[in-house]
Amino acid sequence: NAGVTQTPKFRVLKTGQSMTLLCAQDMNHEYMYWYRQDPGMGLRLIHYSVGEGTTAKGEVPDGYNVSRLKKQNFLLGLESAAPSQTSVYFCASEAGGPVDTQYFGPGTRLTVL
Amino acid sequence: AQSVTQLDSQVPVFEEAPVELRCNYSSSVSVYLFWYVQYPNQGLQLLLKYLSGSTLVKGINGFEAEFNKSQTSFHLRKPSVHISDTAEYFCAVRMKTSYDKVIFGPGTSLSVIP
Repeated sequence: NAGVTQTPKFRVLKTGQSMTLLCAQDMNHEYMYWYRQDPGMGLRLIHYSVGEGTTAKGEVPDGYNVSRLKKQNFLLGLESAAPSQTSVYFCASEAGGPVDTQYFGPGTRLTVL
Repeated sequence: AQSVTQLDSQVPVFEEAPVELRCNYSSSVSVYLFWYVQYPNQGLQLLLKYLSGSTLVKGINGFEAEFNKSQTSFHLRKPSVHISDTAEYFCAVRMKTSYDKVIFGPGTSLSVIP
């Protein structure tokens, strides 16, 4: 039981390049989330999904796209990376309910030059 | 809209001393309250959560938090900290209705000094 895993752990991009971050969970959770963490700003929600085939925008969705084709996977895409997207990205999953605990992955550190 | 304030961005404290990390929230509807901890270079993990009932909630690693509805606060406390408690602590709220999102505070960095 690996919990929540994220691929890759580190990545350096040049401005304008694209990439996809993969989040996988093996807990059969319905809800999945993508956050970014920046110094002094805590975690900000980018996009989330409340079930396979569904996605919704969070607080800071611009410049990102997501897909949830399979229940266990939640992909975050950057079509044209910008330096402002330099951040640490965290994926989380939960069973889906008001009192449920979110389980977080180890994070992906992305630098855009 | 909901918001979470953590007034102290950094809290240094000596080992074996008590600590309190402050959290205040704003919401027009009833919320559930959470504290998460992030150890260096790791993801977040749940410390404790307040759902209902007793306003004093006990969590892992000796932490506890007290819910104060009139002051809309949910402060985290530990009577005696250890070096291993050095981490970032996040307060979070979730609406009892429309609960698909969790709102996190900006975090408090706790540094335990030997």
